Amino acid sequence: QKEVEQDPGPLSVPEGAIVSLNCTYSNSAFQYFMWYRQYSRKGPELLMYTYSSGNKEDGRFTAQVDKSSKYISLFIRDSQPSDSATYLCASSNQAGTALIFGKGTTLSVSS
Amino acid sequence: DVKVTQSSRYLVKRTGEKVFLECVQDMDHENMFWYRQDPGLGLRLIYFSYDVKMKEKGDIPEGYSVSREKKERFSLILESASTNQTSMYLCASSGRVTTGELFFGEGSRLTVL
Repeated sequence: QKEVEQDPGPLSVPEGAIVSLNCTYSNSAFQYFMWYRQYSRKGPELLMYTYSSGNKEDGRFTAQVDKSSKYISLFIRDSQPSDSATYLCASSNQAGTALIFGKGTTLSVSS
Repeated sequence: DVKVTQSSRYLVKRTGEKVFLECVQDMDHENMFWYRQDPGLGLRLIYFSYDVKMKEKGDIPEGYSVSREKKERFSLILESASTNQTSMYLCASSGRVTTGELFFGEGSRLTVL
């Protein structure tokens, strides 16, 4: 069983929609949770970072971690065509170590 | 601005050739990583290094080796390229005292014919 599971999609939504992206993980020792965004033919870049449980909000983006259910979520409000990308969730148990990635969800936002 | 630079964006090689993928970071990071990314499989860790001249195997090290002679440079070597090594290769780095974020390069798209 892969340690981080993510539905690969693809996911297509109209502009302005609320998008929910989800991952589950199996390793109880994970403490660091991240969402990366990857545009076509580019490297991944950090979008949201959360340590342990809780919510974090940054503009239209909200990241949630529920350690009791081992669930990681990213919400995008008022989605824009520029949000069209692949979103990767990632976790690790120690800062500075290799991240374990989900397979990524490809999102397409149409105008 | 932080930067991880991968020397080659696109490479085409023949089966059996030796391939070098170079990665340089300018952030004085101790930790460096090589991942490969394939459709339907996501990012998989090949090798990583926590210090100069140190290396650790990741999840899929077979067919690969690495070299870290200087802190800023981490090279991935395919001793004898095979068609199943056609992939996107991503280099990343992070600091020892860190939030855990990895900084990625733009990727090297390798095609082995």
